[in-house]
Amino acid sequence: DQQVKQNSPSLSVQEGRISILNCDYTNSMFDYFLWYKKYPAEGPTFLISISSIKDKNEDGRFTVFLNKSAKHLSLHIVPSQPGDSAVYFCAAPNNYGQNFVFGPGTRLSVLP
Amino acid sequence: DVKVTQSSRYLVKRTGEKVFLECVQDMDHENMFWYRQDPGLGLRLIYFSYDVKMKEKGDIPEGYSVSREKKERFSLILESASTNQTSMYLCASSKILAGSYNEQFFGPGTRLTVL
Repeated sequence: DQQVKQNSPSLSVQEGRISILNCDYTNSMFDYFLWYKKYPAEGPTFLISISSIKDKNEDGRFTVFLNKSAKHLSLHIVPSQPGDSAVYFCAAPNNYGQNFVFGPGTRLSVLP
Repeated sequence: DVKVTQSSRYLVKRTGEKVFLECVQDMDHENMFWYRQDPGLGLRLIYFSYDVKMKEKGDIPEGYSVSREKKERFSLILESASTNQTSMYLCASSKILAGSYNEQFFGPGTRLTVL
């Protein structure tokens, strides 16, 4: 079964610095991954995606990197802002490509 | 503006009660999902539906059932609520199957407490 791991439950970063959130997965049959962002008392919202035809996808301050051989992806936020403080979930396709399996999340705190 | 709404933001029920959580989407999406979110465990899929009257078990379906009588509405049912079902419940919808790389849109969540 697909497993998605985010080994850092929390991360604190100073405003203006880079935030790097990591994610590891086990099944690479479907190389397409999503990042979601969740504020307290709200549902997750889609942030950025990446597929295996690329090893990098950039959207403004957010960049996701994919290392297929290591089954690892990372989300970079540069520069970090206090409004980025949220829980970030990484998601990978399940074994059948029907749904996404979500990681446990990383709580990012950006300090002013 | 796309929208997924859930009938309650907060709900308190007693052990053994039957609980209905309702979800409505206005995007004409075929797929709908129910997740629960618990600290350290992320979002775990309970059930999903890819069409009216169709349902598939997710990773943790035990103790839950679902109903999809209309395309826009997906209900999660706890037949006999238990304290270990205290959680945040999130509904989501998507246009086509996730394997085709379409994002899921989430509702705001229902925080259910079972006493």
